[in-house]
Amino acid sequence: GAVVSQHPSRVICKSGTSVKIECRSLDFQATTMFWYRQFPKKSLMLMATSNEGSKATYEQGVEKDKFLINHASLTLSTLTVTSAHPEDSSFYICSAARQVNTGELFFGEGSRLTVL
Amino acid sequence: GQQLNQSPQSMFIQEGEDVSMNCTSSSIFNTWLWYKQDPGEGPVLLIALYKAGELTSNGRLTAQFGITRKDSFLNISASIPSDVGIYFCAGRRTNTGNQFYFGTGTSLTVIP
Repeated sequence: GAVVSQHPSRVICKSGTSVKIECRSLDFQATTMFWYRQFPKKSLMLMATSNEGSKATYEQGVEKDKFLINHASLTLSTLTVTSAHPEDSSFYICSAARQVNTGELFFGEGSRLTVL
Repeated sequence: GQQLNQSPQSMFIQEGEDVSMNCTSSSIFNTWLWYKQDPGEGPVLLIALYKAGELTSNGRLTAQFGITRKDSFLNISASIPSDVGIYFCAGRRTNTGNQFYFGTGTSLTVIP
């Protein structure tokens, strides 16, 4: 199956700093990637749709200035959590669809963010 | 964002038993996906469904796209300990945009 890779898998940072998470599609090109957030024992909440070469589309209630998304190439999207606070601590997961029509989403391994 | 209703929330079963779970929505979907997630990992795609009434199998797993297009079902036959995990459904409303919304999850525990 398709492979989507995230980095880092775990990151601990101090409150007020910014953290960047990378999402790469390793064996296919993805014009669209998706970022999800997951709290412990909870479901995945769609945060935003990352579009290659254009601005990301954010879901209602997600602060675009807080969660900066850049989709610079067909294989890379980045999520930057700016001025992180402890309440931003969470599991962040990206996904990509290999083909738009079939829509099968493949997920990265996830990134565990802990803000002290 | 939208979430789908998934039930049951959790299940504790004996090894060898069959498992059934379902996902419902107030909206019509044209795609249903079923995932399994292990702790600390990303979800892994199990089955994809694209047509109302479609029944698709993947080994001991069988999933169906509900006729009303507002629900989907996942069955696991003859459960084994490695089936333990959280199962999520995901639905997509339109053919554009590719935004999927996830169910609330079903936590499965298999007792050897």
